Amino acid sequence: AQSVTQLDSQVPVFEEAPVELRCNYSSSVSVYLFWYVQYPNQGLQLLLKYLSGSTLVKGINGFEAEFNKSQTSFHLRKPSVHISDTAEYFCAVGLTGTASKLTFGTGTRLQVTL
Amino acid sequence: EAQVTQNPRYLITVTGKKLTVTCSQNMNHEYMSWYRQDPGLGLRQIYYSMNVEVTDKGDVPEGYKVSRKEKRNFPLILESPSPNQTSLYFCASSWAPGGEQFFGPGTRLTVL
Repeated sequence: AQSVTQLDSQVPVFEEAPVELRCNYSSSVSVYLFWYVQYPNQGLQLLLKYLSGSTLVKGINGFEAEFNKSQTSFHLRKPSVHISDTAEYFCAVGLTGTASKLTFGTGTRLQVTL
Repeated sequence: EAQVTQNPRYLITVTGKKLTVTCSQNMNHEYMSWYRQDPGLGLRQIYYSMNVEVTDKGDVPEGYKVSRKEKRNFPLILESPSPNQTSLYFCASSWAPGGEQFFGPGTRLTVL
């Protein structure tokens, strides 16, 4: 079975500063990887995804993530955050087999302040 | 517009009063799933369905039932709700279990 670890439950950052949200996963087989964002009082929205190919994935709102197979990581980055990026961010992993499911991390709360 | 809809969005009920939360998707996805979201625990899968009449338990199925009589609908049933089922519930659909999932707006349930 796969698992996902988001080490940071909260990340405070000043506006225009860079940010990295960490995600590590465990799996013995090939995976799909996702980052979802949840704005206050809203549902989850896909930020970006890695299915195959290039390990650097670009998503919406200027976010990007890099798949590192050797370190089993999929960290999310943004070079300059905005107040509107304040939200909860979830990393998720899915296996490529038909019997698999999507497993979510516990989330990281990104708090951007002036 | 491709979407997943849930109703109701907010619900306050009392212990033991049966309730149903509806979920519908218009993307012809075969895979649908229910999650609950609790602070510090992330999203935990309750039940999922691979196709019509095919459902299976997720990680936290106790106290819940589901049915999948039509491809587009996947209702969540709480036959005797208890306060520990107070949570934020999300329905999701996907082309495959491990693929990108499209989420509904959520249903905030409070059981008194």
